[in-house]
Order: sequence, then structure tokens, then C-alpha cells
Amino acid sequence: GESVGLHLPTLSVQEGDNSIINCAYSNSASDYFIWYKQESGKGPQFIIDIRSNMDKRQGQRVTVLLNKTVKHLSLQIAATQPGDSAVYFCAEKGLVFGKGTRLSVIA
Amino acid sequence: NAGVMQNPRHLVRRRGQEARLRCSPMKGHSHVYWYRQLPEEGLKFMVYLQKENIIDESGMPKERFSAEFPKEGPSILRIQQVVRGDSAAYFCASSPPSAQGHEQFFGPGTRLTVL
Repeated sequence: GESVGLHLPTLSVQEGDNSIINCAYSNSASDYFIWYKQESGKGPQFIIDIRSNMDKRQGQRVTVLLNKTVKHLSLQIAATQPGDSAVYFCAEKGLVFGKGTRLSVIA
Repeated sequence: NAGVMQNPRHLVRRRGQEARLRCSPMKGHSHVYWYRQLPEEGLKFMVYLQKENIIDESGMPKERFSAEFPKEGPSILRIQQVVRGDSAAYFCASSPPSAQGHEQFFGPGTRLTVL
């Protein structure tokens, strides 16, 4: 069946360092992915998306990489800040969410 | 432009009672999605609705759960005869007609506690 999973449940990084959050998917027909950020007690917020005809997409301080060969995508956050502390989810077509990775930023 | 609104934010029910969760999508959005989130878990898709139609309810339990999105008024997620295992955060999201399951805007959630 379809599944979207995350490799690590928690990630701790020093303020100012870069963060990389990974996600694997199993449906090779998936053509659209979204990364969401969820802060404690709040609903998820859209960060960045990528379509399957792209390998990389950049936003403000965030980059998403898509490797269709191994069905893997990653979210890179540059110069991580305390405000980036949250749980990050990858979603397939917006309807399938991985378990999430909790990012903790150490000041 | 108000975001997605959900009420109540917190709901406490005793086993066997009914829970009604409401979701008002963003203005101009005609697609609504409901998700359930257990503590320290990801979001699990439940149902996708458009006005007066259920498009995909593959994530909805077959019994006790129902959802509607009437022509007028908010979308309602109804849980009958609640059990302790229904305790979770329920999130609603909406998207405009052109998005069709892509970027979604989430509400703050309703936290249901079943005693």
C-alpha cells in the first residue's frame, strides 16, 4: 500500500547550523509532495512543495530535494533558528502524512 | 481574510456521548479535509469533501463516524457513541477549487477528550 515515512523521529541542531529532514515514499506514481511545519498546539503550515518533474526547489532558507530513483525527499533548512523548532511532515498529494520529525534547535 | 476556523477548540465527552466538530473553510474554498492526530503521531487522513459531496472517505472508520459539508454552513465531523480511543486532535483543512488536494490551509484543531 501507499506509505510516506520519516527516517528519524527527532533531530537536534545548533542554532545557525543547517538542518536536513528526510522522508521516504513508496508510491512511484506520486507526482506532488508538500512539506508542512507544525508548532506545538497548532495546525500544520505549508512550507514548500515540489512536483515530480523537478529535482530541487528552493524557498526562503528552505530547499526540498526529490530523488525519484530511490523515492526519497528531503527538506533542508539553512541557518536554523529557534523559531524553526517544530514537527515537520512530508505529505504526498497533501493527503498522506509521514509520522513527522521533531526538530529542536539548541541556542 | 480569516483563516480556517474550527470549533470548539477543546471538547470533553463521556463514553457513549456524541461529539460534533465544526469547520469553516477559508473564504472562497470549496474543498474540506478532516484529519486525526494522536499524540506524537502524524496526521491521518479521514475524509475529503466538497460542497454537498463526499469525494474520498477512505480514511474514515466505517462505524460511528460521519462527515458532511452542506451547501450553507460549516463542515461537520460527527462521532457517535464516543470511546476513549477517539481522544485525539482533529484538524480540518481547506483548499480552493483549483488546488484539488494539493496545498491545504489548516485550522487550529479541535482537541477531543473522552472520559
